[in-house]
Amino acid sequence: ILNVEQSPQSLHVQEGDSTNFTCSFPSSNFYALHWYRWETAKSPEALFVMTLNGDEKKKGRISATLNTKEGYSYLYIKGSQPEDSATYLCAPSSGGYQKVTFGIGTKLQVIP
Amino acid sequence: SQTIHQWPATLVQPVGSPLSLECTVEGTSNPNLYWYRQAAGRGLQLLFYSVGIGQISSEVPQNLSASRPQDRQFILSSKKLLLSDSGFYLCAWDHGRNPNIQYFGAGTRLSVL
Repeated sequence: ILNVEQSPQSLHVQEGDSTNFTCSFPSSNFYALHWYRWETAKSPEALFVMTLNGDEKKKGRISATLNTKEGYSYLYIKGSQPEDSATYLCAPSSGGYQKVTFGIGTKLQVIP
Repeated sequence: SQTIHQWPATLVQPVGSPLSLECTVEGTSNPNLYWYRQAAGRGLQLLFYSVGIGQISSEVPQNLSASRPQDRQFILSSKKLLLSDSGFYLCAWDHGRNPNIQYFGAGTRLSVL
């Protein structure tokens, strides 16, 4: 089982603030890195999946970067809104693309 | 469009009783199927995945088993539940190619008492 670390574990920001989270994972036998958003009482929803070192993805105010050589990914949220409140999960796959290991997540609370 | 159905939403079972959770996917064929569990204070843990009918890969030794009797049906079972089986169980599917975005069901909250 991969050791996937996410930081911080929780975060409170004011509406309009920008924020970022970190995910670190073992870089060996890497297949892909997923970011999911999990809102309370809903199912996890995919944000991004990245496979190549240096990949950058963007979806609206949210973007992510990937460094497979050193084993980390950053997720950025620009101008946080209350609807961004959720737990953000990082999930690398290793040893097979089906073998996805989820981190414990970063719980974001955006205060209006 | 594809949809995933998972039931029941909540379940309270006594220790030693059997378990059967079912997951079905509609609108796609030959998906990969997954069972995850989130125990209290822990992250999502991959329990089983399946790349085809009758093909099950187990990721962690445990008291549970999985079966895929049909292409779009995935079942999680136990003959005798333990207290440690309590948790939130999620079924997911993907199209079966890398990179694989996974789509999750609504989950089952299992309490073993």
